This record gives sequence, structure tokens and C-alpha cells, in this order.
Amino acid sequence: KQEVTQIPAALSVPEGENLVLNCSFTDSAIYNLQWFRQDPGKGLTSLLLIQSSQREQTSGRLNASLDKSSGRSTLYIAASQPGDSATYLCAVLTGGGNKLTFGTGTQLKVEL
Amino acid sequence: DVKVTQSSRYLVKRTGEKVFLECVQDMDHENMFWYRQDPGLGLRLIYFSYDVKMKEKGDIPEGYSVSREKKERFSLILESASTNQTSMYLCASSFGGAGPGDTQYFGPGTRLTVL
Repeated sequence: KQEVTQIPAALSVPEGENLVLNCSFTDSAIYNLQWFRQDPGKGLTSLLLIQSSQREQTSGRLNASLDKSSGRSTLYIAASQPGDSATYLCAVLTGGGNKLTFGTGTQLKVEL
Repeated sequence: DVKVTQSSRYLVKRTGEKVFLECVQDMDHENMFWYRQDPGLGLRLIYFSYDVKMKEKGDIPEGYSVSREKKERFSLILESASTNQTSMYLCASSFGGAGPGDTQYFGPGTRLTVL
């Protein structure tokens, strides 16, 4: 059974700092890995999707990497801003392409 | 832009009531999903549907049923609500091509409280 773990569970950083969020998964037979953002009381917004054949994806200040063989992904946020404060969720797509398994998230707070 | 809407943002129901949560997507997606989200447990899949009138159990289907009579609409039903079903419920949809570029689009969520 696929399990996804995210470390740390919570993180507080000053504005402007570069930071790394970590995600690990137990079964490397994945279609893709995605990073989502969730604001309090809201739904999920997809940030980056890395297909199983890819190593990384970039969008603005965000860069996500995937090492499928070791079962790890990182989300790098450059020059963090208070608006980046949210919960970040990692998920892997398996099970014939229909099943997303989520980690429990990293709650990020960027302080002025 | 894909839009997934859920009928209510907040619901308060009493134990034993029958509860309907509705989800509608506007992108002609094949797949639709219902998750619940609880602190410390993350998102867990309740049911999903890959076509009209088709459904598959997810990881935690007990106490729930679903209905998909039209492609754009997927309903989650709590036959007799219990306090342990107090949670955030999230609906999602996806194209269903099952390729590595497939992603799920989420609705805003329904916060259900069962008293």
C-alpha cells in the first residue's frame, strides 16, 4: 500500500528566506507526483506536476524535483513571501492512474 | 478553466439525518472523486466514479454511498449521519485519460458538522 510522508509538519520562516519541503513515498510505481497548495478552509490548488519520466518542474519561484528510484520529492520555494503561507500537500498518482495518495502536508507560515 | 463546485460551504446536521453533498464539474471529465480531510490524517478517498452510474470504493467507504446519474454531477450520501462523520469533504474531477499528465481539480470543500 502506497504511503506518502511529508517533513516537516510545520515550518515558520522569515520573509525572503529560501526553503525546502520534503515528500517521500514507499512505492516507486507512480504515474506522477503533484504538489498542491491549500489555504485555510479552502480546496486544493495544483502547483506543479512532475510526470514519472521527468526529474523536475518549475513555475515562477517554485521548483519541484522527483527522484522516483529513492521515492523522494522536494519543493523549493525561493524568496518566500507572506502570501506563500498555506499548507502544502504532496500526492502521488497510482492505481491505473485514478488513485491519488496524499501526504498529511506541511503547514508553512512566512512572517514579516 | 476547470470549475468544480460543491453545493454548500458549511452544513450542520443532526445525528441520524440523511445528508446529501452535491458536486458539479463543467469540463466533461470522466472521473469524479469524494475525499474527506481530517487533521493528522490528510485526505482519504471515500468513493470515485469513472463513468455515469459506475462507482468504485475508495479507502474509507463505510457509512457512505454515492450516486452519479449524469456525467457532470456526483453526489455523496450519508444515509444516517454520525458524529464521526464531522469533517471537511472535498470533491474532485479528472479527465480520466490515465496518462502521467493527468491531474485532479478540486472543489472548495464542504465543512460538515454532525451534532
